[in-house]
Amino acid sequence: DSGVTQTPKHLITATGQRVTLRCSPRSGDLSVYWYQQSLDQGLQFLIQYYNGEERAKGNILERFSAQQFPDLHSELNLSSLELGDSALYFCASSAGFRPTNEKLFFGSGTQLSVL
Amino acid sequence: KNEVEQSPQNLTAQEGEFITINCSYSVGISALHWLQQHPGGGIVSLFMLSSGKKKHGRLIATINIQEKHSSLHITASHPRDSAVYICAVRRNTDKLIFGTGTRLQVFP
Repeated sequence: DSGVTQTPKHLITATGQRVTLRCSPRSGDLSVYWYQQSLDQGLQFLIQYYNGEERAKGNILERFSAQQFPDLHSELNLSSLELGDSALYFCASSAGFRPTNEKLFFGSGTQLSVL
Repeated sequence: KNEVEQSPQNLTAQEGEFITINCSYSVGISALHWLQQHPGGGIVSLFMLSSGKKKHGRLIATINIQEKHSSLHITASHPRDSAVYICAVRRNTDKLIFGTGTRLQVFP
């Protein structure tokens, strides 16, 4: 058990809808990272938050947004969903904001299916 | 061409065999991660390297910064090692760039 909790595990929705994925980091970790894993693109970094502030941005679409709350849990909001958004969404956490010297701890992922 | 290339893409082995998975990258990096993804989908971080070699149990990871190459070795492989192994590099930002993974199957 990594200590990172993601909910829900599975989500099935329709095109055009909006969903929210939730991540609780390991106790004491201040950084949360979101990643998308699709069959055709592999794993891709979406966005990082550190202690409530956006720290780094990757290949995140404008239809997607995220935030980190004072209790350090994070939510990834996906709107106007398209079939191509179907993927496994992971969050990971680490203690600091520069994980160069830190291991990442991954949640078990949320499998999103857009029908 | 991907910035991070892994080889082989697929690997099958007999239990007990020594396994090597390779990762080559084309950019300057500050660190390299090896991740393990089990069939259920969960990802575990195995190693984070910026130089030299690290060992954990039957797993050994090495990196050669000059040659832009890293290897993950598994000694005395076991069916429970069957998973996808992913190499990821960090440049001087907080973003990880991932390889496409090596699917390993170890048969008893």
